[in-house]
Amino acid sequence: KNQVEQSPQSLIILEGKNCTLQCNYTVSPFSNLRWYKQDTGRGPVSLTIMTFSENTKSNGRYTATLDADTKQSSLHITASQLSDSASYICVVTRPRTDSWGKLQFGAGTQVVVTP
Amino acid sequence: EPEVTQTPSHQVTQMGQEVILRCVPISNHLYFYWYRQILGQKVEFLVSFYNNEISEKSEIFDDQFSVERPDGSNFTLKIRSTKLEDSAMYFCASSERARRQDTQYFGPGTRLTVL
Repeated sequence: KNQVEQSPQSLIILEGKNCTLQCNYTVSPFSNLRWYKQDTGRGPVSLTIMTFSENTKSNGRYTATLDADTKQSSLHITASQLSDSASYICVVTRPRTDSWGKLQFGAGTQVVVTP
Repeated sequence: EPEVTQTPSHQVTQMGQEVILRCVPISNHLYFYWYRQILGQKVEFLVSFYNNEISEKSEIFDDQFSVERPDGSNFTLKIRSTKLEDSAMYFCASSERARRQDTQYFGPGTRLTVL
């Protein structure tokens, strides 16, 4: 069964510090990997999208890396802010000839940034 | 900035009743999706829709579910006879296309509670 596993399950960090979230996937074949941010009670918001040929993608203070050989990705948050408190979800898609739309979500890492 | 909207924000219904969840995708988008998230669990794909047809559906999307684009702006999810286990947050999403790096934009969700 295709799996997207994330670690840690939750994380508490001090405002201003950096943190790194991990994602391991077994989805195969693999098309692209996305990181989403989901605030409590809201819909997910896309942070980065990487194809299997990309190693890194940045979006402001968020930097995602991808190692397609080991099927691992990470999301690094630099200089965390209180507004970064959210669930960060790793999402993988499989290639299809007619639609890339079916997103396969991980369970997410709940990040809490404290003052 | 254009966004996906969903109504109602919260729907309470009795088991066995029909519910219709409504979504207004971003206006120039052509691909539409429904996802659900049971409380405390990960987001799950339900169905994708393009050109007035279902493109792909998951095993969750059984005969009790249907989708429709009744006019040029709305996209609906109907559950014919709700069950307790249908209680979840339902997210609508849309994308301009369905290519490898297209972002899916999510609405704020409708919380469905089945009593």
